[in-house]
Amino acid sequence: GENVEQHPSTLSVQEGDSAVIKCTYSDSASNYFPWYKQELGKRPQLIIDIRSNVGEKKDQRIAVTLNKTAKHFSLHITETQPEDSAVYFCAASRDAGNKLTFGGGTRVLVKP
Amino acid sequence: NAGVTQTPKFQVLKTGQSMTLQCAQDMNHEYMSWYRQDPGMGLRLIHYSVGAGITDQGEVPNGYNVSRSTTEDFPLRLLSAAPSQTSVYFCASSRQPGPGGYEQFFGPGTRLTVL
Repeated sequence: GENVEQHPSTLSVQEGDSAVIKCTYSDSASNYFPWYKQELGKRPQLIIDIRSNVGEKKDQRIAVTLNKTAKHFSLHITETQPEDSAVYFCAASRDAGNKLTFGGGTRVLVKP
Repeated sequence: NAGVTQTPKFQVLKTGQSMTLQCAQDMNHEYMSWYRQDPGMGLRLIHYSVGAGITDQGEVPNGYNVSRSTTEDFPLRLLSAAPSQTSVYFCASSRQPGPGGYEQFFGPGTRLTVL
């Protein structure tokens, strides 16, 4: 089955700096790669996603890049703000959004 | 729309007890899934369904049963609770893949403790 590795497990940045989280996946048939943000005690919420026919996608301060050859994808957050502090999860699926396999999560702390 | 709802929010069981976690969605989504999230870890897929009457196993199905008699409801049954099943359980739903997107919408979760 699919295996998703996520690094780093924790990330501390100064407000205004950029944050980068990287994930690798094992199943070359995976075709959908979402990123979720989870605040303490809350449900995961989708912040951005990318499909395998696209190399990069951006939404305001958030961007995701995908390298299918190397089987890795990354989340980039620019101009970080204290409200960006949360746990971020990457995931992969070969079934177009169904049956997600999640990475272990990255706890991001944005220091004011 | 209420989205994805789950009951109960919290539950404490004794080892060997059985119970059903309820999940419902009002978005007419075809796909529904159950995940568990252990402390400090990512979510792991327990069971999923691509439509009424169709279910299949995910990554960690042992000790759990599901059924999907309607599009709206997808209950998760713990047959004989064990301490290893202490976790937060999330239900999720999504449309069939298409122009509408692939997003899975998560419920608020059920925090289960097995003593």
